[in-house]
Amino acid sequence: DVKVTQSSRYLVKRTGEKVFLECVQDMDHENMFWYRQDPGLGLRLIYFSYDVKMKEKGDIPEGYSVSREKKERFSLILESASTNQTSMYLCASRKPLAGGIYEQYFGPGTRLTVT
Amino acid sequence: TQLLEQSPQFLSIQEGENLTVYCNSSSVFSSLQWYRQEPGEGPVLLVTVVTGGEVKKLKRLTFQFGDARKDSSLHITAAQPGDTGLYLCAGPWYAGNNRKLIWGLGTSLAVNP
Repeated sequence: DVKVTQSSRYLVKRTGEKVFLECVQDMDHENMFWYRQDPGLGLRLIYFSYDVKMKEKGDIPEGYSVSREKKERFSLILESASTNQTSMYLCASRKPLAGGIYEQYFGPGTRLTVT
Repeated sequence: TQLLEQSPQFLSIQEGENLTVYCNSSSVFSSLQWYRQEPGEGPVLLVTVVTGGEVKKLKRLTFQFGDARKDSSLHITAAQPGDTGLYLCAGPWYAGNNRKLIWGLGTSLAVNP
């Protein structure tokens, strides 16, 4: 079974702190993603990475950065946490299927609260 | 504006009832996927539909892709409490050289014993 793990299920941080969210996948997938999920706004893509040391901005990259030093690990960094970054953060990796279709595997999520 | 509109937004039913939820778009998609997200967990892929008019069954769940590939439906027969969760539809979208998934907002289903 594919497993995507995230370093914390729950996290409480103070405004202005630097926050690291870690994600590890064990299936040698090249593509990895970070989303945030908010009520009424759904899943929004923050950043994604097609391979090691490669990163692309998603739809809402402001206030975030990422790091992909190893294929299995994709980290999301909040440089200076703000209260509007309180959210559920979901990491995913992607497996190619036949015909140009992909299957995304998600981690359990990190519920981050910034006070 | 959501490219993928899901309805209803919320649904609360009794165990044993049947239900249908919808995923609609004004755009054509090469495929659509349905995911289920249980409380406190990440979404899990249920099915991918590719061909217009395609019907796929997964036990008591029946998925259909519209003939024009602009919409999809999920029908659950004899719902059980274990079906409770957020049902999300998603489709591939190309932005330049990048391919990403576009997500609907989901239908939150509660099946009461």
